[in-house]
Amino acid sequence: EAQVTQNPRYLITVTGKKLTVTCSQNMNHEYMSWYRQDPGLGLRQIYYSMNVEVTDKGDVPEGYKVSRKEKRNFPLILESPSPNQTSLYFCASSLGGLADYNEQFFGPGTRLTVL
Amino acid sequence: KNQVEQSPQSLIILEGKNCTLQCNYTVSPFSNLRWYKQDTGRGPVSLTIMTFSENTKSNGRYTATLDADTKQSSLHITASQLSDSASYICVVSDYGNNRLAFGKGNQVVVIP
Repeated sequence: EAQVTQNPRYLITVTGKKLTVTCSQNMNHEYMSWYRQDPGLGLRQIYYSMNVEVTDKGDVPEGYKVSRKEKRNFPLILESPSPNQTSLYFCASSLGGLADYNEQFFGPGTRLTVL
Repeated sequence: KNQVEQSPQSLIILEGKNCTLQCNYTVSPFSNLRWYKQDTGRGPVSLTIMTFSENTKSNGRYTATLDADTKQSSLHITASQLSDSASYICVVSDYGNNRLAFGKGNQVVVIP
């Protein structure tokens, strides 16, 4: 089944404790992206990647890191999480760039709480 | 400033009735406009994608329209069902960039 998977689905952590949220897709997509969703603010892009070893900042990259060593994986790293990073996170992928006619597929989401 | 504005923010409709959601955008240059459906706590699912040359596209009971001149789009839901209760998000892509501008969504509640 073609899908985007994220792990963990739920995570409660404490301020400053490094964490990684994994994202994997099995559709051989080139484009991958991370978003956060907060009440009243909608979805906001954190980072995106056009291909292996190519990453770019989105609208809210502060406090996050990403890497794209393999085409299928795009982990999101929080080196020192803070309470304002409590949010619902989505990973997404598409065959190509979003300026083109490429459908974007979203993962199921990771609900992160930072105490 | 948000480049994509959606209205109404929320609405309640009776099962079987139709409704129309509005999206106005200022993104330029425009590449494409997408409508997503997002059930509570789940990832958005694509309903339609339209480029500037398309002015209507359907996906089952969902019909999206686009007026690239006035920079407006609408999503029409026909014969609503309880499963249509969700947030509907309008997303615009600018040409030559791989970034998206997201609306805050229209929250639709369908009641029996």
